[in-house]
Amino acid sequence: DGGITQSPKYLFRKEGQNVTLSCEQNLNHDAMYWYRQDPGQGLRLIYYSQIVNDFQKGDIAEGYSVSREKKESFPLTVTSAQKNPTAFYLCASARGGSGNTIYFGEGSWLTVV
Amino acid sequence: AQSVTQPDIHITVSEGASLELRCNYSYGATPYLFWYVQSPGQGLQLLLKYFSGDTLVQGIKGFEAEFKRSQSSFNLRKPSVHWSDAAEYFCAVARGGQAGTALIFGKGTTLSVSS
Repeated sequence: DGGITQSPKYLFRKEGQNVTLSCEQNLNHDAMYWYRQDPGQGLRLIYYSQIVNDFQKGDIAEGYSVSREKKESFPLTVTSAQKNPTAFYLCASARGGSGNTIYFGEGSWLTVV
Repeated sequence: AQSVTQPDIHITVSEGASLELRCNYSYGATPYLFWYVQSPGQGLQLLLKYFSGDTLVQGIKGFEAEFKRSQSSFNLRKPSVHWSDAAEYFCAVARGGQAGTALIFGKGTTLSVSS
């Protein structure tokens, strides 16, 4: 089936550790995105990539890093520099170009203790 | 700067009653507007979108939304709510410029349905 796969669904990490969230899509979409969701805050853009080997910071990029080595994959690393990493993380993708529909994965819960 | 405002944090509607969720946006040019729905702990599902043309757009699950440029609004409506519609609803506008399709979201409205 075509879609966006995020893994793992639930992740627990100790404070100070880096953690990488996986996002894979088989929709042949050019653009991919990472959003963070906190209760009552809506979704906030962390990073986005419109083409392989290129990505841009979103509104809350500090403490996060990404790579886009393959069209299908856009992993997000939550580094120890992220002050409040516990959140629900959503990966999304879309065809290239302005105004196209963005499709979302099922999300990953990250809890840092 | 672009923004989206959903004035209602939480709404409770009786099953079978009509629903209207409010959304206001800030953007100088013609916006691309979206409504998404999210069940607890899940991803977002697109309900409908407005790009241009007819200002009344139909979506899935019996939802519709009306784009009103004069009011900078894109309110979501449903004539008769079902218990399964209980969820969180997000309005979003596509960013302009380099960000391409990246969306700016409102903070969401939680819909509860009472029997």
